[in-house]
Amino acid sequence: GAVVSQHPSRVICKSGTSVKIECRSLDFQATTMFWYRQFPKKSLMLMATSNEGSKATYEQGVEKDKFLINHASLTLSTLTVTSAHPEDSSFYICSARDGGIRPYNEQFFGPGTRLTVL
Amino acid sequence: AQKITQTQPGMFVQEKEAVTLDCTYDTSDPSYGLFWYKQPSSGEMIFLIYQGSYDQQNATEGRYSLNFQKARKSANLVISASQLGDSAMYFCAMREGRNAGNMLTFGGGTRLMVKP
Repeated sequence: GAVVSQHPSRVICKSGTSVKIECRSLDFQATTMFWYRQFPKKSLMLMATSNEGSKATYEQGVEKDKFLINHASLTLSTLTVTSAHPEDSSFYICSARDGGIRPYNEQFFGPGTRLTVL
Repeated sequence: AQKITQTQPGMFVQEKEAVTLDCTYDTSDPSYGLFWYKQPSSGEMIFLIYQGSYDQQNATEGRYSLNFQKARKSANLVISASQLGDSAMYFCAMREGRNAGNMLTFGGGTRLMVKP
């Protein structure tokens, strides 16, 4: 399957700082990337959908000014959590699809980033 | 209303036995796709199997098969010959519409524990 990487895998930061998480498709071009958030023992909740070269589409209830998404190239999307608070602590997962080459157009997921805000 | 429902928060299965993980869905769109993903403790989401709404046959991928009952709107995952490495969270997901870029909606997940 296609490979999606995320960096960092784990980050601990102080309240009020900003944290950037990178999502890269390593062996395919990702026309669409998705950002999810997952609380412990819970399911994945879609935060936003980003298409290369255009603004991200945020799900209802997700603050676009707090969670900045940039999909600047076909292999890279970044999520920046601005002015992080302890309640932003969570597991953030990105996924990418390759423009329809795959038979099922399945999304391939990164390994996730665990954010802890102190 | 929940679009994807997984009614089993946790399940045990004896090693080498088969297990069925339940998933029901709700959509009015005639075109949709159903996915199953596995999430081990490491956190990564691993794609297992896909069933399209127009597929005539149940999907199979190795030890994984999908029991697709369209009229009942269910897409249960069957894992045959369970292995210890199958212990993980399993998520059922749905993509509605023909556009492959449409979002996935996930169920609440089922934690499967395989006993030696």
